[in-house]
Amino acid sequence: AQSVSQHNHHVILSEAASLELGCNYSYGGTVNLFWYVQYPGQHLQLLLKYFSGDPLVKGIKGFEAEFIKSKFSFNLRKPSVQWSDTAEYFCAGDNDMRFGAGTRLTVKP
Amino acid sequence: KAGVTQTPRYLIKTRGQQVTLSCSPISGHRSVSWYQQTPGQGLQFLFEYFSETQRNKGNFPGRFSGRQFSNSRSEMNVSTLELGDSALYLCASSLGSLGGETQYFGPGTRLLVL
Repeated sequence: AQSVSQHNHHVILSEAASLELGCNYSYGGTVNLFWYVQYPGQHLQLLLKYFSGDPLVKGIKGFEAEFIKSKFSFNLRKPSVQWSDTAEYFCAGDNDMRFGAGTRLTVKP
Repeated sequence: KAGVTQTPRYLIKTRGQQVTLSCSPISGHRSVSWYQQTPGQGLQFLFEYFSETQRNKGNFPGRFSGRQFSNSRSEMNVSTLELGDSALYLCASSLGSLGGETQYFGPGTRLLVL
């Protein structure tokens, strides 16, 4: 079955630490992949997306993700997190709009 | 531009009742998608409407239905409510149909079924 999975449920980091959140998908064909973020008390919003071209995608607020087809992965990265990055992060693939379970990121000041 | 709006924001119903939720997309957006968000199941796709036609559908029972009007506003209906239908229902709009399109989410309608 088609699915999107996120490995980490809750990640706790200190400010300035590097971040990598895992995302794997399990379907073939045209692949459109997204990372969405939900800051406390706010709506879900797009961080970045991949649908073709350069597999390294840059998004807002210094986030980036790399699409690695051979690994069926689309991991989210940020070299240095800030307290304001505390949020829930969702990976999604839109062949049938499947969302991962989400990863809660807590950044300690 | 105004964002996606959803009404009502909160709703309490009892088992067996039906409920209708409303979503107004961003002006110019023709696609509206609906999601159910629960702590246990996360975000699950219900369906997508584009130009008044259902384009994609998730794996939910027929009690969950929707429609889209000519002005792109959409409604979602749940009949014969069950306790497990308690959730946050999110609406998202996009310019085109799903396929690389960025979705813009509304604040959600929180439904409690007693």
